[in-house]
Amino acid sequence: DVKVTQSSRYLVKRTGEKVFLECVQDMDHENMFWYRQDPGLGLRLIYFSYDVKMKEKGDIPEGYSVSREKKERFSLILESASTNQTSMYLCASSVITGNSGNTIYFGEGSWLTVV
Amino acid sequence: ILNVEQSPQSLHVQEGDSTNFTCSFPSSNFYALHWYRWETAKSPEALFVMTLNGDEKKKGRISATLNTKEGYSYLYIKGSQPEDSATYLCASSGANNLFFGTGTRLTVIP
Repeated sequence: DVKVTQSSRYLVKRTGEKVFLECVQDMDHENMFWYRQDPGLGLRLIYFSYDVKMKEKGDIPEGYSVSREKKERFSLILESASTNQTSMYLCASSVITGNSGNTIYFGEGSWLTVV
Repeated sequence: ILNVEQSPQSLHVQEGDSTNFTCSFPSSNFYALHWYRWETAKSPEALFVMTLNGDEKKKGRISATLNTKEGYSYLYIKGSQPEDSATYLCASSGANNLFFGTGTRLTVIP
């Protein structure tokens, strides 16, 4: 059974704090993604990675960075959290880039509130 | 960025009714169309991936069709059950990414 695990389901952080959201997949997938979900806006891509130490900006990368030191782990970093980053964050993974018919597998989401 | 639109935004149906909703997407540079089902507090679950014009896919009471020339896909649920209540997302593939619609939230009333 495929598994994408997000380590924190619910977090409350203060404005200005550094926040790490961790994601691990056990499917040996090359691609990993971070999305955020906001009401009325759908899932929006923040960053993705197609290999260890590789990263590409998505549609809304401002205020975020990522780290992929190992194939199975993809971390989303909020360097200085702000209230407009309060959202639900979804991690996902899929097999190799270029075959767009591949299914993307999602984690259960991390709800972040910045106060 | 691909503009993917879904309608309606939300839908309430009675148990046993059949229903359908729409996903529209740009027909140029089409790669694939994905449907996901997302229940509250769970991960989005892949339902279908379709790539060819005229594709039809079926899983139990749920089916989907694809028209790549005009840029739309329909998702059908036959004989809705309360456990079908979820948000149904469609997404169109770019070269490396999926572009999602905002979803159709289905509530099936017992």
